[in-house]
Amino acid sequence: SQTIHQWPATLVQPVGSPLSLECTVEGTSNPNLYWYRQAAGRGLQLLFYSVGIGQISSEVPQNLSASRPQDRQFILSSKKLLLSDSGFYLCAWSRGVGNQPQHFGDGTRLSIL
Amino acid sequence: GQQLNQSPQSMFIQEGEDVSMNCTSSSIFNTWLWYKQEPGEGPVLLIALYKAGELTSNGRLTAQFGITRKDSFLNISASIPSDVGIYFCAGRTNSGGSNYKLTFGKGTLLTVNP
Repeated sequence: SQTIHQWPATLVQPVGSPLSLECTVEGTSNPNLYWYRQAAGRGLQLLFYSVGIGQISSEVPQNLSASRPQDRQFILSSKKLLLSDSGFYLCAWSRGVGNQPQHFGDGTRLSIL
Repeated sequence: GQQLNQSPQSMFIQEGEDVSMNCTSSSIFNTWLWYKQEPGEGPVLLIALYKAGELTSNGRLTAQFGITRKDSFLNISASIPSDVGIYFCAGRTNSGGSNYKLTFGKGTLLTVNP
């Protein structure tokens, strides 16, 4: 069966510090990978998605970037965090072929001080 | 861009009651998904719908893909305290380059009083 892991679960960072959140998927190959941010208002905003190694599509202009160095690894980064980067970050995967649903990790709660 | 209107925003019910929530869109969707999210966790897929008119059950949960392809409904029968959480609908158009992306509703917060 497939599993998705995100870490860390919680993170407190000062303004201006760098960020690296990691997501890995097991039990499948060539997945589509996604990064979402969920604000307190509950909506999920798609930040990035990737259909393959090194292929990143950005949905909204922002202070964040994403990378996919390996087939089942997706990383969310920032060089300098802003207060507005606080939120709940969710990684998700779906099968790379066919009309398949997305499956989410348990998320990272990021607080910027 | 596409938008989903999910209602109600929140519900407070007594244990044992049935629950209904729905999502509507101005666009046609080819896939409807329903997720449940509990505090501090990621959304978990409950039901996936792929055909207009499709009615699918998962235990006490039943979801339907509207005939017009612009709406979907989720019903929970005989609610129990562990049904508490935020329920999200999500739709996909399966059109060309947007094949991978989901549009999410803003969620329905369900509270069940024992």
